[in-house]
Amino acid sequence: DGGITQSPKYLFRKEGQNVTLSCEQNLNHDAMYWYRQDPGQGLRLIYYSQIVNDFQKGDIAEGYSVSREKKESFPLTVTSAQKNPTAFYLCASSIQEGAYEQYFGPGTRLTVT
Amino acid sequence: GQQLNQSPQSMFIQEGEDVSMNCTSSSIFNTWLWYKQDPGEGPVLLIALYKAGELTSNGRLTAQFGITRKDSFLNISASIPSDVGIYFCAGVHRDSNYQLIWGAGTKLIIKP
Repeated sequence: DGGITQSPKYLFRKEGQNVTLSCEQNLNHDAMYWYRQDPGQGLRLIYYSQIVNDFQKGDIAEGYSVSREKKESFPLTVTSAQKNPTAFYLCASSIQEGAYEQYFGPGTRLTVT
Repeated sequence: GQQLNQSPQSMFIQEGEDVSMNCTSSSIFNTWLWYKQDPGEGPVLLIALYKAGELTSNGRLTAQFGITRKDSFLNISASIPSDVGIYFCAGVHRDSNYQLIWGAGTKLIIKP
């Protein structure tokens, strides 16, 4: 079955620690995205990548970093510089740049205390 | 930046009722997408709309691309318990660099 996997489902960290969230897809999609979701709000774009070894900042990139070394993988690192990291993080992919239909993984809920 | 106004914010309905929600903007959009999110899960794409006036169905769901290109509507007929969740609209504006702009969601709750 093709799809997007995110792991872990729940993640707990102490303030001041960096943490990396995993996102893998076997849909052979070129484009991948990271969103943050807070209660009662829509999705906000953190970073996106249209092709391997290339990525762009979204609306709220500060305090986050990404890499895209493989087509299938787009990990997100939440750094200690992110002021309010506790949130639900969603990874998505689309066939290619300009293909608007995005398909989402199950999400990772990060809690930082 | 561009914003989408999604309404209502939440809806309490009886099982079997029809549901209507909408998404509006002050700007023209080229594409509208409707997603449903269950608690603790990622959004699932329901319907995609690409042309003004387009009306597309997916089972009991019907969505329309507004003729002005500034709005979109989602209707659910004969609601059932599994319809509970949050429905999001998302759109692509010509100035959004192909990225989706999201509404804040409509939470659908079925009265016991």
